[in-house]
Amino acid sequence: SSELTQDPAVSVALGQTVRITCQGDSLRTHYASWYQQKPGQAPIIVMYGKDNRASGIPDRFSVSSSGNTGSLTIAGAQAEDEADYYCSSRDSSGKYWVFGGGTKLTVL
Amino acid sequence: QVQLQQWGAGLLKPSETLSLTCAVYGGSFSGYFWNWIRQPPGKGLEWIGEINHSGFTNYNPSLKSRVTISVDTSKNQFSLRLTSVTAADTAVYYCARGFGWYSFWGQGTLVTVSS
Repeated sequence: SSELTQDPAVSVALGQTVRITCQGDSLRTHYASWYQQKPGQAPIIVMYGKDNRASGIPDRFSVSSSGNTGSLTIAGAQAEDEADYYCSSRDSSGKYWVFGGGTKLTVL
Repeated sequence: QVQLQQWGAGLLKPSETLSLTCAVYGGSFSGYFWNWIRQPPGKGLEWIGEINHSGFTNYNPSLKSRVTISVDTSKNQFSLRLTSVTAADTAVYYCARGFGWYSFWGQGTLVTVSS
């Protein structure tokens, strides 16, 4: 099991707002980075650091953090946002990197 | 634009050694960390380890006894060796640039371990 916990699946109606969460002790002291992966493709980075959006990522993507939980929010989800989303950060020792188990986002 | 291009054997037998190489085109090679990440079929991502241009390495403790990541700065390449592979090592292996966040990824290489 991963040291970063994500809900396996989340759904959102087209145009609505959805939040994908990532929980782990390390997130109290380290930011999460977020990746989007579509079937058969390599992941692409979406967000990193406190609130940095990767190049080419629409501004409907944002992040927040509270306690041991990091969140990726998509405001006004589009059909093309349907994908698997992974968070990543330090493990509980602070020495290594880990990924969350991933969240499959369905846009209805 | 930074591009990572990876290659290596895609079919191995149990107990053999996995060997992959990733070449970096564009951008600086030094000053960054270079990573290997894998994804078993239908499953999530797993960080394998990282190396910088000086050869400093850091490995996932669950794989540390079998993993070696090396770098060839003259060619802007880095490589992964994973020994004594089993079916559990079947995965798409990715190379990626970054330290904690991975901005650029290789295309991925499916490595299948089967007798």
